[in-house]
Amino acid sequence: SSELTQDPAVSVALGQTVRITCQGDSLRSYYASWYQQRPGQAPVLVVHGKNNRPSGIPDRFSGSDSGDTASLTIIGTQAEDEAVYYCHSRDRIDNRLFGGGTTLTVL
Amino acid sequence: QVLLQESGPGLLRPSETLSLTCAVSGFSISNGYYWAWVRQSPGKGLQWIASIYHGANTFYNPSLKSRVNISDDTSRNQFSLIVRSVTAADTAVYYCARLAITEEFDYWGPGTLVTVSS
Repeated sequence: SSELTQDPAVSVALGQTVRITCQGDSLRSYYASWYQQRPGQAPVLVVHGKNNRPSGIPDRFSGSDSGDTASLTIIGTQAEDEAVYYCHSRDRIDNRLFGGGTTLTVL
Repeated sequence: QVLLQESGPGLLRPSETLSLTCAVSGFSISNGYYWAWVRQSPGKGLQWIASIYHGANTFYNPSLKSRVNISDDTSRNQFSLIVRSVTAADTAVYYCARLAITEEFDYWGPGTLVTVSS
């Protein structure tokens, strides 16, 4: 099916590592990209492709994939990383899909 | 630097037609990228609406395809979205974005809030 599934909420202690996952059949064929959205702001691309970060994104953000699941990992999570994270991919018939979003809380 | 800026009416009545424009600066929309619209209903997630590539190639979310149309104007370096017969369910922040061939939305506009209310 053409859907991407994310856990609604995840929490992490300051300075620790957190993994946010995204599951969907399309991820067996296409890479995911990941977006950070803070309240009242537009989404920002943080990871895309095999594991690429745009200029200005800290190297504590990384991406990986296995089968039908893509993951965004943040190592040494900072307070400013608290946000909603969305995954995105496409399917075989040119639909672009977003996951439902994961709210990351930094404790 | 690539900049995108949405413009739209802000408030519409049910059954009216929504018209949005995205002005692009710092990059030519003729230069080999898709250009897209994404919306976000209040308190909800992101929903891809439509994309356009080289003017003639358009792609639509199946759930919206019957009511929307995406087009571009290379002479003004902008692209547009029309949504017909709007309802309260179309109330959202509408973002325009650049979509790379490698499938990431790498630049976004700040978004414009559209409210549908009688």
